[in-house]
Amino acid sequence: TQLLEQSPQFLSIQEGENLTVYCNSSSVFSSLQWYRQEPGEGPVLLVTVVTGGEVKKLKRLTFQFGDARKDSSLHITAAQPGDTGLYLCAGRDNYGQNFVFGPGTRLSVLP
Amino acid sequence: DAMVIQNPRYQVTQFGKPVTLSCSQTLNHNVMYWYQQKSSQAPKLLFHYYDKDFNNEADTPDNFQSRRPNTSFCFLDIRSPGLGDAAMYLCATSRGLAGMSDTQYFGPGTRLTVL
Repeated sequence: TQLLEQSPQFLSIQEGENLTVYCNSSSVFSSLQWYRQEPGEGPVLLVTVVTGGEVKKLKRLTFQFGDARKDSSLHITAAQPGDTGLYLCAGRDNYGQNFVFGPGTRLSVLP
Repeated sequence: DAMVIQNPRYQVTQFGKPVTLSCSQTLNHNVMYWYQQKSSQAPKLLFHYYDKDFNNEADTPDNFQSRRPNTSFCFLDIRSPGLGDAAMYLCATSRGLAGMSDTQYFGPGTRLTVL
């Protein structure tokens, strides 16, 4: 069973700073999703990436899928307190058998 | 507009007393999923339906069952809840199981407390 690893596990930064969080696996994924989850709520979809090397932008958020489709990154520019939450990556392996979540990165943006 | 709806948002049950959690969707998606999420952990897939085809994860306890009477609704039945079953239960949907169609949309969750 492949694993998705995320780093860092926790991140606390000041408003206005930039940050990058990572999602890595030893397996190839047919697609990866990024979600943000706030306490007591369900995960909210941010983006899906499917093509190796793909870069998607969502306002201040930039998502990249690795060329080999084994890793992904999320970069936030000029973080705001509203970005605080648990960032989860998830995906299905290339054989279509298993859909898994990474353990998440818990981000805290301080005003 | 809510697309994946879960009721109730909070459910309290007693040890051993059967409980049913409800999920409905307005997306007309083929796939519906149930996840269990415990505090500070990632969601853990319990099972999913592709249309009427039920797919159980290997490590999902027999205590957990699911029903999907039609495209829109899916239920999670916990036959004899134990204290360890207290968690957030998340329902999700997707159009399919590959590529962009594999994108899952989550409901707000039902937080289950077992007394």
